[in-house]
Amino acid sequence: GAVVSQHPSWVICKSGTSVKIECRSLDFQATTMFWYRQFPKQSLMLMATSNEGSKATYEQGVEKDKFLINHASLTLSTLTVTSAHPEDSSFYICSAGLAYSGSYNEQFFGPGTRLTVL
Amino acid sequence: GENVEQHPSTLSVQEGDSAVIKCTYSDSASNYFPWYKQELGKRPQLIIDIRSNVGEKKDQRIAVTLNKTAKHFSLHITETQPEDSAVYFCAASKDFGNEKLTFGTGTRLTIIP
Repeated sequence: GAVVSQHPSWVICKSGTSVKIECRSLDFQATTMFWYRQFPKQSLMLMATSNEGSKATYEQGVEKDKFLINHASLTLSTLTVTSAHPEDSSFYICSAGLAYSGSYNEQFFGPGTRLTVL
Repeated sequence: GENVEQHPSTLSVQEGDSAVIKCTYSDSASNYFPWYKQELGKRPQLIIDIRSNVGEKKDQRIAVTLNKTAKHFSLHITETQPEDSAVYFCAASKDFGNEKLTFGTGTRLTIIP
């Protein structure tokens, strides 16, 4: 099946620093990738939809200047948390969409990145 | 936008019994309904999905039913086993063009040996 990787799997940083998370589709091309945030014991909340070669579409309430998304190729999307603060500590998960011929599609999730901001 | 509600939030069942988790959605245009199982600290794993052209789908011990008129769908797990213990999420989306998924709030299922 389709494989999505994320790097790093966990990161600890100081408040005020920026952190970059990479999401890669390993064996397929993904024109669309999604970034989710999941706080402990909560559901996945979509942050933004990342489209290759164009600007990301952010969900309401998500600051686009704080969460920078770049989807420069069909296999790589990056999320940069700028000036991170403790409240940004969370589990960040990406997914990549694979559109099958015949109209339907499926999303494949990365393993997630646990961010802890001190 | 789409809103997905999920019940119950926690569910404990005796090993071997059945478990049922229910979800409702608001957008009548949604036509793709996947279910995910997530273990602590891991990625969500797709366990079954259903599209709006069918009312029921089964895969071994797992089944999903869909009622488009009432806008609700349910996950049924029979003959539960300890390894079924996890958090389960339903989701809904339109099934074309890499549409975004809207997730339910999750159900923590505990199987009691």
